[in-house]
Amino acid sequence: QKEVEQNSGPLSVPEGAIASLNCTYSDRVSQSFFWYRQYSGKSPELIMSIYSNGDKEDGRFTAQLNKASQYVSLLIRDSQPSDSATYLCAVESGGSYIPTFGRGTSLIVHP
Amino acid sequence: DADVTQTPRNRITKTGKRIMLECSQTKGHDRMYWYRQDPGLGLRLIYYSFDVKDINKGEISDGYSVSRQAQAKFSLSLESAIPNQTALYFCATSGTGAGANVLTFGAGSRLTVL
Repeated sequence: QKEVEQNSGPLSVPEGAIASLNCTYSDRVSQSFFWYRQYSGKSPELIMSIYSNGDKEDGRFTAQLNKASQYVSLLIRDSQPSDSATYLCAVESGGSYIPTFGRGTSLIVHP
Repeated sequence: DADVTQTPRNRITKTGKRIMLECSQTKGHDRMYWYRQDPGLGLRLIYYSFDVKDINKGEISDGYSVSRQAQAKFSLSLESAIPNQTALYFCATSGTGAGANVLTFGAGSRLTVL
C-alpha cells in the first residue's frame, strides 16, 4: 500500500513569514512529486512539481526533495493571506502515472 | 470555458437512486480519472482510463461504474446510491509524455445522498 503522509494542520503563520509544509511517502521507487493547492470549495491546482533531489524554486515557492529520507517539502516565502488553502502532496511511482495523494495540510496566513 | 467540465455541480438524491456524473474535456488528453474527496481523507481514486478502450479500477471502485464514451467524455455512475457515497467528486485529466502525471481537475460535483 503506497502511503503519503501529511500533517493535517492547521498550520498558522503570520503574514510575511515562511510557511513550511511537509510530506513523507512510503514507496521507495517513487519518481515524481507534486504540490497542489486547493482553496475551500474549489478544485486542486498544481503549483509545483519536482523530480530530482534538491531544491526547485518558482517565485515564492520552493519544493525540496530528499529521496533517501523519502521526504518532500514546500516552502512558501513572504506568506500572504491569499496563500490560505489546503496543500495536497502527491507522489507517483515510476511508470504508473497514477499519483497517490496525501490528506492535505491546511494553511492559514493571518494578517 | 473550462478545460474540464463536470455536470451536475450539485446533486441531492435519495438512497437507492441511480446517479450519473458526467465529465467532458477540451484539453485533448487521453487520460481521465474520477476521484472522491471526503473531509480529512484527501483524494481517493475511484476509476481511471488511459484511452477509450481502457478502464481500470482505483482504490475505492466498489459501488461505482464508469463509461468512457469518447476521448473527451468519461462518466461515473452510482447504480444504487447510499448515504456514505455523499462526497465531493472530481474528474481529472492528464496528457502523455512529459505531462503524463500532472492532473487538471474539473470544478467538482457535490453529491448528497439522503
